[in-house]
Amino acid sequence: AQSVSQHNHHVILSEAASLELGCNYSYGGTVNLFWYVQYPGQHLQLLLKYFSGDPLVKGIKGFEAEFIKSKFSFNLRKPSVQWSDTAEYFCAVNAGSSNTGKLIFGQGTTLQVKP
Amino acid sequence: GAVVSQHPSWVICKSGTSVKIECRSLDFQATTMFWYRQFPKQSLMLMATSNEGSKATYEQGVEKDKFLINHASLTLSTLTVTSAHPEDSSFYICSARDPVTGTYSPLHFGNGTRLTVT
Repeated sequence: AQSVSQHNHHVILSEAASLELGCNYSYGGTVNLFWYVQYPGQHLQLLLKYFSGDPLVKGIKGFEAEFIKSKFSFNLRKPSVQWSDTAEYFCAVNAGSSNTGKLIFGQGTTLQVKP
Repeated sequence: GAVVSQHPSWVICKSGTSVKIECRSLDFQATTMFWYRQFPKQSLMLMATSNEGSKATYEQGVEKDKFLINHASLTLSTLTVTSAHPEDSSFYICSARDPVTGTYSPLHFGNGTRLTVT
């Protein structure tokens, strides 16, 4: 069965620190990969997505993620975090090319950025 | 941008009663909507796929008779939790994809509904 694993459950950083959140998935075929963010009191929003092409994907608010097929990973990075990045981050995978609504989510990582 | 609206945002009900949650796509038509459930400190789990004009597709382990889904129009899907029990207390989130923006466009999520069954 497909699964998504996020290694960090709770991350605390100071402003300007660099961020890397790990995400690994288990599926041997074609995958579409997503990172979503949920700010306190708000709905899930898409940060970035990978379908094909350049494995280094740039998203909104300075975030980027790198798809490494050999490692089944799609880690999220940001060089310098801000207090406003405090949120819950979810990695998600859609296996195959059809029905992009059926996403498998990781358990989420809570990021707390200290001012 | 595309918006998905859920109502209510929170609801408290007594055990044994039924609760209906609405999910609307505000500026696009969605032939398919998706219902997720999120337990505290856990990930979102897909419950079912709501198909306009036909029966919903439920994920394994989700009780069809307990979680009734109706997708009567291209902009509205409803989830009814029937005979709710305290273990049904959870955060329910709907999502939809704007088909106009392409096959691989991402999902747009509603704000979710916090259900508490007493």
